Amino acid sequence: KNEVEQSPQNLTAQEGEFITINCSYSVGISALHWLQQHPGGGIVSLFMLSSGKKKHGRLIATINIQEKHSSLHITASHPRDSAVYICAVSYSGGGADGLTFGKGTHLIIQP
Amino acid sequence: NAGVTQTPKFRILKIGQSMTLQCTQDMNHNYMYWYRQDPGMGLKLIYYSVGAGITDKGEVPNGYNVSRSTTEDFPLRLELAAPSQTSVYFCASSLQRATLYNEQFFGPGTRLTVL
Repeated sequence: KNEVEQSPQNLTAQEGEFITINCSYSVGISALHWLQQHPGGGIVSLFMLSSGKKKHGRLIATINIQEKHSSLHITASHPRDSAVYICAVSYSGGGADGLTFGKGTHLIIQP
Repeated sequence: NAGVTQTPKFRILKIGQSMTLQCTQDMNHNYMYWYRQDPGMGLKLIYYSVGAGITDKGEVPNGYNVSRSTTEDFPLRLELAAPSQTSVYFCASSLQRATLYNEQFFGPGTRLTVL
């Protein structure tokens, strides 16, 4: 079964801390997505990557294809970063189209 | 561009009632998806469409139906609503297949409660 595992499930940190969220998956993928879901519920795409590293502002996403693992880092965290961060993958094999999602990491940044 | 829009935002149904969740995108995307999100669980694919007139089942299709008569619209129909269908429903679209290196755009979601 194709699965996506995220850790930690919940994370509370102080403003300014360096945050790391991890994602692992079980079979070969064509792309890995990091998404952000705010308390209002909307989901936005942060990164899509198939190799290496991407950076956008204070957010950095890395992927190790051999180890089937990705990390999302937030530098100089801020209360506005509080959200649920979701890892999702698109599999390169056959079967239904669409993404397979992890359960999400609920991040709270305290002032 | 409005992107992906969904209506309604909230709905309460009684067991056995039916309803249609509306989804529209204005990005001329061929691929559209319906997901449901249950508390503590990852989003699950219900149905998807690769173009007008073409739909297919995802991971959790039971109790739902879809149609795709136009590129823009992808409504999700619930027949005989059951409490197990209480969830938040997200519609999404993409230019190409999700199995390719391709971003998905999500609607704001519909929160459905079945009592």
